[in-house]
Amino acid sequence: TQLLEQSPQFLSIQEGENLTVYCNSSSVFSSLQWYRQEPGEGPVLLVTVVTGGEVKKLKRLTFQFGDARKDSSLHITAAQPGDTGLYLCALRGSSNTGKLIFGQGTTLQVKP
Amino acid sequence: EPEVTQTPSHQVTQMGQEVILRCVPISNHLYFYWYRQILGQKVEFLVSFYNNEISEKSEIFDDQFSVERPDGSNFTLKIRSTKLEDSAMYFCASGPLIRFSVFGPGTRLTVL
Repeated sequence: TQLLEQSPQFLSIQEGENLTVYCNSSSVFSSLQWYRQEPGEGPVLLVTVVTGGEVKKLKRLTFQFGDARKDSSLHITAAQPGDTGLYLCALRGSSNTGKLIFGQGTTLQVKP
Repeated sequence: EPEVTQTPSHQVTQMGQEVILRCVPISNHLYFYWYRQILGQKVEFLVSFYNNEISEKSEIFDDQFSVERPDGSNFTLKIRSTKLEDSAMYFCASGPLIRFSVFGPGTRLTVL
């Protein structure tokens, strides 16, 4: 079973700071998705990365897929309190049913 | 914007009781899923459903669990005899394609 490890587990920063969270696997994955989950809600898809070395930007969020397709990172520039939440990476299982395998997540708190 | 809805938002039940969690997926979606998230733990896949049958289920999805799509719109998860360890957030998700899923807001199940 392919596992995803996310780090750090918790991150508490001040508004305006930059941060990076990581998602790593021991195995190569064909694509990876990043989700954001707020308390009491379901995960919301932010981005899908597919190609090794790919970089995608979503406003102040920059997602990178490692060249070897075994790791990914999410960088947030000038974090705001509205960025607070649980950031999850996930990959599609190999069974072709659409099943998602999630990492344990990084809980981000941005203090004003 | 279309969304996945789930009812109830919170269900409290006694151990050994049956519960039915309800989901209304987005209307033109073909792939349906249930996930759960025990407090403080990662989001875990339970079951996928396509073409009116289960396409994959996890080890968690034992004989106590069942899913139905009774009327072409609702998608239900039934737990026949709840245990304390079934307490979790249960998320329904649906997708038009295997590689894209939209999550509902979840049902918090508390087993006493």
